[in-house]
Amino acid sequence: GENVEQHPSTLSVQEGDSAVIKCTYSDSASNYFPWYKQELGKGPQLIIDIRSNVGEKKDQRIAVTLNKTAKHFSLHITETQPEDSAVYFCAASMGTTDSWGKLQFGAGTQVVVTP
Amino acid sequence: DTEVTQTPKHLVMGMTNKKSLKCEQHMGHRAMYWYKQKAKKPPELMFVYSYEKLSINESVPSRFSPECPNSSLLNLHLHALQPEDSALYLCASSLYSYRGRSGANVLTFGAGSRLTVL
Repeated sequence: GENVEQHPSTLSVQEGDSAVIKCTYSDSASNYFPWYKQELGKGPQLIIDIRSNVGEKKDQRIAVTLNKTAKHFSLHITETQPEDSAVYFCAASMGTTDSWGKLQFGAGTQVVVTP
Repeated sequence: DTEVTQTPKHLVMGMTNKKSLKCEQHMGHRAMYWYKQKAKKPPELMFVYSYEKLSINESVPSRFSPECPNSSLLNLHLHALQPEDSALYLCASSLYSYRGRSGANVLTFGAGSRLTVL
């Protein structure tokens, strides 16, 4: 099955600096890579996703890059703000009928943005 | 309405109790999911319902019994749980559940029901 590794496990950044979280996946059949943000006491919230036919996607201060050959994808947050503090999960999924909802999550990254 | 609503937010139960967790969405999503999340861990898939039929059961113990009465509701019935079942139970939904439809595996999560088993 799919295995997703995520690094680092914790990340402390100064407000205004950039944050980068990296994930690698094992199954070349995976074709959908979402990123979720989970704040304390809340469920995961999708912040950005990318499909395997795209190399990069950007939405305001966040961007995701995908390298299919190397089987890794990264989340970039620029101009970090205190409200970016949360746990971030990467995930991978295959496009087969029996894999819907089978998001294989990374272990998570606790991001702390200090003012 | 772009929400998945879960009730109750908190539940404490004894090992002999029977309780239920409820989930509701009105986004027209036809796939619904139960995930379990332990502290400081990622969510783990338990069940997937596609068009109100159970399509995936990730070898979950029978003390957890899912039910999908209609396309908007998802229940998780709990009976004879163990203390190690204490966790955050997350419900999610997605637009479609079959191959070829974009957005099919874009999940919207609820806030979760935090379960404590004494």
